[in-house]
Amino acid sequence: TQLLEQSPQFLSIQEGENLTVYCNSSSVFSSLQWYRQEPGEGPVLLVTVVTGGEVKKLKRLTFQFGDARKDSSLHITAAQPGDTGLYLCAGSNSGTYKYIFGTGTRLKVLA
Amino acid sequence: GAGVSQSPSNKVTEKGKDVELRCDPISGHTALYWYRQSLGQGLEFLIYFQGNSAPDKSGLPSDRFSAERTGGSVSTLTIQRTQQEDSAVYLCASSGRQGVNGTEAFFGQGTRLTVV
Repeated sequence: TQLLEQSPQFLSIQEGENLTVYCNSSSVFSSLQWYRQEPGEGPVLLVTVVTGGEVKKLKRLTFQFGDARKDSSLHITAAQPGDTGLYLCAGSNSGTYKYIFGTGTRLKVLA
Repeated sequence: GAGVSQSPSNKVTEKGKDVELRCDPISGHTALYWYRQSLGQGLEFLIYFQGNSAPDKSGLPSDRFSAERTGGSVSTLTIQRTQQEDSAVYLCASSGRQGVNGTEAFFGQGTRLTVV
């Protein structure tokens, strides 16, 4: 069974601070996605990474896929209150459409 | 449609009653997923459809849960004889053909089910 563990589970920081969220597995995935979910809404896709070692930037967010495609990280620079939400990673494998979701990281950015 | 649509958005039911949750995926998306999310938690996989068939039903918690998809489009998740532990947000997602950038899932807003 493929599992994705995220850390930390909860994170509360001040506006302007930097943070990193980790997504780890013992299994290899062909692609990995990061989603953000706000209260009362479904998760919204932020980015997809498919190549080992790949780094993608989305404004103040930097996503990295591990060389072995077993782990990923999300780094936020100068966090803003609007970054508050539940961050979820999800892995999938080529040839299947099944997504395995991580345990989630709940981020709160205080003004 | 423009996005994944789920109905109802909220459902309160009495313990022991049956409920049906509906999902309208994005037009043309071949894959459809159901997930369950308990308060503040991650997503628990329930079932996914490829077209009208369900290659993976491994996440359905018990035989009280069933799902079907007709015409490669709308899906219904049915929970029979609901229990209080079934209370959660039920999320539906759809995706199209896996492309060069990997497969991307688009989620509906979910149905919040409360069993009293």
